[in-house]
Amino acid sequence: KAGVTQTPRYLIKTRGQQVTLSCSPISGHRSVSWYQQTPGQGLQFLFEYFSETQRNKGNFPGRFSGRQFSNSRSEMNVSTLELGDSALYLCASRTDISGRNTQYFGPGTRLTVL
Amino acid sequence: AQTVTQSQPEMSVQEAETVTLSCTYDTSESDYYLFWYKQPPSRQMILVIRQEAYKQQNATENRFSVNFQKAAKSFSLKISDSQLGDAAMYFCAYRGSGGSNYKLTFGKGTLLTVNP
Repeated sequence: KAGVTQTPRYLIKTRGQQVTLSCSPISGHRSVSWYQQTPGQGLQFLFEYFSETQRNKGNFPGRFSGRQFSNSRSEMNVSTLELGDSALYLCASRTDISGRNTQYFGPGTRLTVL
Repeated sequence: AQTVTQSQPEMSVQEAETVTLSCTYDTSESDYYLFWYKQPPSRQMILVIRQEAYKQQNATENRFSVNFQKAAKSFSLKISDSQLGDAAMYFCAYRGSGGSNYKLTFGKGTLLTVNP
């Protein structure tokens, strides 16, 4: 079974631009979560989608948004990019939103904001 | 709010030796899940092992085992017969089973170096 895939793997943008990242979960997984990883803040939860609905959201500004499609693929959008948005963005999928199942991560998208 | 603490920013071990990585957490929940993830330089976060809090038996996966002390809120990872491929950043993570079950809370990580 293929793992979680994320595209693109690397991205360079300038301040003020917007960016869209994509995540395809493991086949059969209906929940997709997004995490931001930075050297200073570590790994922080952004949001989780299940059945095309945002179920939970972390403490990030409204510039960070996402959506999920009927095939469970998810996209994350960051508008009006700031230097501090430079990070590794990780996507994780799990079968559903039951507490007992495990999240599996993709390789991440490295976003650099200049 | 739940917190996860990894007190060892860096650790090193000789190939074929055993190393233990420490993790403590703080929670008021009685039922939860604990994980160790490994992130090699390639950046892919890989699940190493998981432990359900309701299970008294410590989880084991080949050369990886945990020492889960629920009362002490401690969850250490032991790597036996260390291999060069074990070199990575290791993250301890917590997930609740109730209202907080939607997200993983991670520690800051421990960078493990394996010396040949």
